[in-house]
Amino acid sequence: EIQLQESGPGLVKPSQSLSLTCSVTGYTITSGYDWSWIRKFPGNKMEWMGYISYSGSTNYNPSLKSRISITRDTSKNQFFLQLNSVTTEDTATYYCARSNYPGALAYWGQGTLVTVSS
Amino acid sequence: DVQMTQSPSNLAASPGESVSINCKASKSISKYLAWYQQKPGKANKLLIYSGSTLQSGTPSRFSGSGSGTDFTLTIRNLEPEDFGLYYCQQHNEYPDTFGAGTKLELK
Repeated sequence: EIQLQESGPGLVKPSQSLSLTCSVTGYTITSGYDWSWIRKFPGNKMEWMGYISYSGSTNYNPSLKSRISITRDTSKNQFFLQLNSVTTEDTATYYCARSNYPGALAYWGQGTLVTVSS
Repeated sequence: DVQMTQSPSNLAASPGESVSINCKASKSISKYLAWYQQKPGKANKLLIYSGSTLQSGTPSRFSGSGSGTDFTLTIRNLEPEDFGLYYCQQHNEYPDTFGAGTKLELK
């Protein structure tokens, strides 16, 4: 059974970088599919942030393109989110997920709340 | 970006009843619309993708319909575990975009 689990700091200061890890069990991230980050803001708005594919290519939401980076460590079966220059508006619950074909988000982590505050 | 307008934002119903949630895209997304259920402390659950295809494990009381710009999620014979937050998402073109959510509450 595939499982995803987000981890990382729950509090980040404004102007700093937010870094999260998604640890995957039950499926090898290089075997197939896209591996995404999505966030849910207070008030329930959801935003797809970007993905890294099984081959290592990336695709980002243009609204974040200058601040976001998604990378991976295939030896640990993990992928990562880095969001630079955060503001209080980046306070959200962050989820990692795996797609299916044709691109819906079939498996999700439980999410991790990140608060941006000084 | 494709804007997704989801309605209603809140819905109250009783077990055994049927409900429908609607999602309208700002332009055609063909059939590529997914529905998710979100509950506190649980991983989000993909219910339906490509408009009407049930994800493995989704009970048959859930159904999806529509194409182009207008889509509907119908839940028949509501069970207690169906209450929660529901989102639509278009997966036709990047960036993927979501509706604002529908909170389904117990009446």
